[in-house]
Parts: sequence; C-alpha cells; structure tokens
Amino acid sequence: GESVGLHLPTLSVQEGDNSIINCAYSNSASDYFIWYKQESGKGPQFIIDIRSNMDKRQGQRVTVLLNKTVKHLSLQIAATQPGDSAVYFCAAQGNNRLAFGKGNQVVVIP
Amino acid sequence: DTEVTQTPKHLVMGMTNKKSLKCEQHMGHRAMYWYKQKAKKPPELMFVYSYEKLSINESVPSRFSPECPNSSLLNLHLHALQPEDSALYLCASSQSGLAGDTGELFFGEGSRLTVL
Repeated sequence: GESVGLHLPTLSVQEGDNSIINCAYSNSASDYFIWYKQESGKGPQFIIDIRSNMDKRQGQRVTVLLNKTVKHLSLQIAATQPGDSAVYFCAAQGNNRLAFGKGNQVVVIP
Repeated sequence: DTEVTQTPKHLVMGMTNKKSLKCEQHMGHRAMYWYKQKAKKPPELMFVYSYEKLSINESVPSRFSPECPNSSLLNLHLHALQPEDSALYLCASSQSGLAGDTGELFFGEGSRLTVL
C-alpha cells in the first residue's frame, strides 16, 4: 500500500521566517498530492494540492514542490505567522485512496 | 468554517453501548469517507462511499458499521467497542465519486470518541 512519511517531526521557526516541510512517498503511481493543516481540536484543512504533471504550484504564502524522480514533496510557507502553528500532513493519492504521511508539527516562535 | 458537519463533537460510551456518529454535507459531493485518527497520528481510512455505495472497507472490525442513507448523509454505527477504539473520527467528502480521482477531501471537525 501507499506509504507516505515526513523527514522532520517538529519544526520550530521564528515568526516572519520561511518554513519548509518535507515529505517522501513510496508509490510511484501516485498522481495527486495534497498538503493539509490540522490545528488542535480541528479537522484537517486543505492548504494546497498538486498533480503529478506539475513540479511546482503556488498559493497565497505557500508553495508546493514535487520531485517525482525521488518521490519527494515539500511545502514552503513564506513569512510564517503564529496562526501557522499546527500539524501539517502530506497526502498522496494512489490505489484509489488518499494516504496520509506521519505529520510534522510546526511551532512558530513570536 | 467547514461545510462538513459532524455530530456529536464528543461522545463517551461504554463497551456495551450502541451509538452512532453522523456526518452531513450539502456541497453535492458524490463520495464520503470515514477516517480514524489517534493522537499525534495521521488519519487512517476506514470506509469510502461512492455514489451512496460502499466502495472501500479497509478491513474495519464489524463493531463499526457505516451507513449512507443518501448522498448528503453518512453514519457510523458503533456497537461493542473497545477502549482502544477511542479516537477522533473524521468524516470527509469529495466532489468526485470516481475511483482513483478523489480530488480534494473536505473534512469535518471530527467526533471525539471515548470508550470506557
């Protein structure tokens, strides 16, 4: 089955700095990827997605990069704000289901 | 605010109780999902309904029984649960009901279940 993991369990970042969260996936047939943000006591919230025919996609303050050669996904958050403190999950679609990575806690230091 | 509504937000039940979790969406989405999430862990898929039919059951124990009365509603019936079933149960929906093309999943806030 799909296996999706993250390199770093916790990222502490100074407010205003940029954040980068990494994710590796195992299923080379995965063709759709999503980053979710989950705040304490809430459900996962969509941040940005990317399909396998792209290698970069930008949103508001966020950029997702996809490297299919090494099966790697990253999320960049520009000018990190206190409201960005949360757990971030990457998810990959393969085998007709969306599988989530282990999650990465981002702590923003004011 | 999420457009996937889950009730109740919190539920405490004994191992002999029967209870149900409910989920509702009015976005016209054709697929609905149940995920289970333990603390500090990613959501784990339990069931998928596509066009109101059960399309995926991830080998979930029969003490969890899903039901999709119509395209907007999804229930999870609980019976004879174990303390290790305590978790956050998340409902989600996606616009597409086509296998292999789920697209973005919209999640509810979850129902936090405690089994005593």
